[in-house]
Amino acid sequence: NAGVTQTPKFRVLKTGQSMTLLCAQDMNHEYMYWYRQDPGMGLRLIHYSVGEGTTAKGEVPDGYNVSRLKKQNFLLGLESAAPSQTSVYFCASSHPTPGAQPQHFGDGTRLSIL
Amino acid sequence: AQKVTQAQTEISVVEKEDVTLDCVYETRDTTYYLFWYKQPPSGELVFLIRRNSFDEQNEISGRYSWNFQKSTSSFNFTITASQVVDSAVYFCALSEVYSNYQLIWGAGTKLIIKP
Repeated sequence: NAGVTQTPKFRVLKTGQSMTLLCAQDMNHEYMYWYRQDPGMGLRLIHYSVGEGTTAKGEVPDGYNVSRLKKQNFLLGLESAAPSQTSVYFCASSHPTPGAQPQHFGDGTRLSIL
Repeated sequence: AQKVTQAQTEISVVEKEDVTLDCVYETRDTTYYLFWYKQPPSGELVFLIRRNSFDEQNEISGRYSWNFQKSTSSFNFTITASQVVDSAVYFCALSEVYSNYQLIWGAGTKLIIKP
């Protein structure tokens, strides 16, 4: 039972490079999320999706883009990486109802921007 | 504004002691949900409990218990007879119906259990 799978697990980029993080879930969840976690802080929502073909901005969307072309996949793109984007990125998914359902998380992607 | 405060940045106790992690939240809504997640040193996030605003009944799951008090806007988490394996960062989070159930996270409490 894979749950939520994130690839890659680690990546080092140079400033200005672009990359895409992939999140895949096999639980048929409608909702998917991308978070970043910085030292000493809770998770901050970057973007989220309430269904295939839809995306919305979260708390810290600048510098990131997302796409949800298939229900099971949610991609996070960094257009031009900056050192401030060094962080651990988590993807999560959940059922939409009833109420707020628990989010299931991937193992995270540790991203360093030099 | 939505806000979740975990005032305890780090707690260190000796194994077998009881420990309580505090969570205080702010919300304008009458319908909301509260969560606790655990992040062990390996880094993954593990869901522990979900509670809605209409259910103030305390819950016990083994050595874990949760005390939800709307009057003080608190949702505290107690570990009884702590074990080394309980060492982790624990996060409290809030979700409101009007924010499309986005989670607002506390900064986390790092719990260290010494043998």
